[in-house]
Amino acid sequence: EIVLTQSPGTLSLSPGERATLSCRASQSVSSSYLAWYQQKPGQAPRLLIYGASSRATVIPDRFSGSGSGTDFTLTISRLEPEDFAVYYCQQYGSSPFTFGPGTKVDIK
Amino acid sequence: QVQLQESGPGLVKPSETLSLTCTVSGGSISSYYWNWIRQPPGKGLEWIGYIYYTGSTNYNPSLKSRVTISVDTSKNQFSLKLTSLTAADTAVYYCARSQWEPSWNWFDPWGQGTLVTVSS
Repeated sequence: EIVLTQSPGTLSLSPGERATLSCRASQSVSSSYLAWYQQKPGQAPRLLIYGASSRATVIPDRFSGSGSGTDFTLTISRLEPEDFAVYYCQQYGSSPFTFGPGTKVDIK
Repeated sequence: QVQLQESGPGLVKPSETLSLTCTVSGGSISSYYWNWIRQPPGKGLEWIGYIYYTGSTNYNPSLKSRVTISVDTSKNQFSLKLTSLTAADTAVYYCARSQWEPSWNWFDPWGQGTLVTVSS
């Protein structure tokens, strides 16, 4: 099973700042089969990125994903008030599909 | 667009069986993979398993001995059964769709989730 580690656990930033979230895998994720999700309190996760760098439908271009192998990054170029949430990475390169523990982005 | 809705009891006793159903609306259940994912309160996400509309399944080994996922294409529904429940199974249970390609297992869309509490 591929174990995903996310850092930092919490990121405290102000609106307008840039957020950089890291996801590291215990072994290489085949074909960059990595996704990112945003979850707000009381809501289901929402897909942001798949294939490490492809934005899902209607996701604004301030969200971008990069990386390959074992190291992946989600970048939010300029934080909007609605972006403060928990972000999870998920690998689907091998079963069982696994999620990282999440990074909380909160308001500084 | 496709929408998913979970339904089932919110409270189940220890040692009993959890049964949940996910109803798919706005599209056909055919040609896609359908998943169950859970999230204990205040914790992270765990993939439980998926079913293809033909009935083939893939389960997380950590739960495989207790899980059954089934599909009813005539009702555009798929279901989860989880046996021998303990308090550790208390979680929000989500259903979610992945893609038509067997290797494209990102999850979109998701249902709103249903909280299941295991308690006597």
